[in-house]
Amino acid sequence: GQQVMQIPQYQHVQEGEDFTTYCNSSTTLSNIQWYKQRPGGHPVFLIQLVKSGEVKKQKRLTFQFGEAKKNSSLHITATQTTDVGTYFCAGPWGTYKYIFGTGTRLKVLA
Amino acid sequence: DTEVTQTPKHLVMGMTNKKSLKCEQHMGHRAMYWYKQKAKKPPELMFVYSYEKLSINESVPSRFSPECPNSSLLNLHLHALQPEDSALYLCASSHLEREAFFGQGTRLTVV
Repeated sequence: GQQVMQIPQYQHVQEGEDFTTYCNSSTTLSNIQWYKQRPGGHPVFLIQLVKSGEVKKQKRLTFQFGEAKKNSSLHITATQTTDVGTYFCAGPWGTYKYIFGTGTRLKVLA
Repeated sequence: DTEVTQTPKHLVMGMTNKKSLKCEQHMGHRAMYWYKQKAKKPPELMFVYSYEKLSINESVPSRFSPECPNSSLLNLHLHALQPEDSALYLCASSHLEREAFFGQGTRLTVV
């Protein structure tokens, strides 16, 4: 079946450092979504990428979709304590089914 | 209104109890989902309703019974659960292949 793996599993950074999480799918994806889940919270949608090689920015967050549409990345510039949480990518498997990646847990040390 | 409302927020139930989780959205989304999330794990899809019909059941045990009374409501009926079913149960809704909006979840403990 489809698998969506993320690396790293955990990342601790000093506030102000950059952070990147990588998402790899075993199959080609029509699109990919990214979610953030704060500790004790629920997943919140960040962005959806659709086109091969697409790059989108949201303030300090930069999202990329690979040329082969099998991988994606999220890069945060100059992390802040508000960036703490687990970042999940999610890829579609059928019409209504999205498979969540394994997630990367980010801790930011002040 | 971009909220998905889940009740209750917390639930403790015995293995012989029957309880229900409720979910409501008013965004006009025709797809609604139940996910189960264990600590430090990604959300795991359980059921999908599209246009009020069950379209996906991810081989979930029959002690979990979903129901979609109308396009805004989604229930999950629980009966004879096991301690290993303790988890965060998340409801979500979406348009077709668009972003999912998640509720705050029900933290379920089975004793």
